[in-house]
Amino acid sequence: EDKVVQSPLSLVVHEGDTVTLNCSYEVTNFRSLLWYKQEKKAPTFLFMLTSSGIEKKSGRLSSILDKKELFSILNITATQTGDSAVYLCAVTNNSGGSNYKLTFGKGTLLTVNP
Amino acid sequence: GAVVSQHPSRVICKSGTSVKIECRSLDFQATTMFWYRQFPKQSLMLMATSNEGSKATYEQGVEKDKFLINHASLTLSTLTVTSAHPEDSSFYICSARDRTGITYGYTFGSGTRLTVV
Repeated sequence: EDKVVQSPLSLVVHEGDTVTLNCSYEVTNFRSLLWYKQEKKAPTFLFMLTSSGIEKKSGRLSSILDKKELFSILNITATQTGDSAVYLCAVTNNSGGSNYKLTFGKGTLLTVNP
Repeated sequence: GAVVSQHPSRVICKSGTSVKIECRSLDFQATTMFWYRQFPKQSLMLMATSNEGSKATYEQGVEKDKFLINHASLTLSTLTVTSAHPEDSSFYICSARDRTGITYGYTFGSGTRLTVV
């Protein structure tokens, strides 16, 4: 059974701080790792990572995957109060035909105080 | 971009009644739909996967007779919670995958907060 562990489970910072969120995984026949931001309702897609060592970047957010050590990090620089959310990490594998179901971690609750 | 409309967003029902939740893909064909349940401060737990026109595949421990999933068309999937009990109270969310995977395959609905009293 695929497993995703995120840390920390919660984090409180001040605006302007930089944060690093961690995601480790155990997956049989790994396909991809995805990061999502969940505010009050639906998760919104941030990044999908399939290759080691290639940083994905979008504004103040960036992420990288280490397939050897089986983990990924999500960095947020110059945090803003609008970054407050639960950040979810999920993995997919190549089993199960073409459905590629997602297995989620418990998430990291980030609170950015003004 | 790809949009999935899920409704109702919130529903309160009496114990023993059934509740239907709908997810519609508005601008793409959802060949696969995933249904998740999320308890407070917990992760999204996959309940079942459905492909258009075929029976859903349920995850271990999910009662298929209690959580009826219908994916009769490429734009609509429904989850019916039958004979609901208070322990079924949760946040239910769908995720649609299109054939091309343009949105990296997973577009989420906005979720349904179910409260059974």
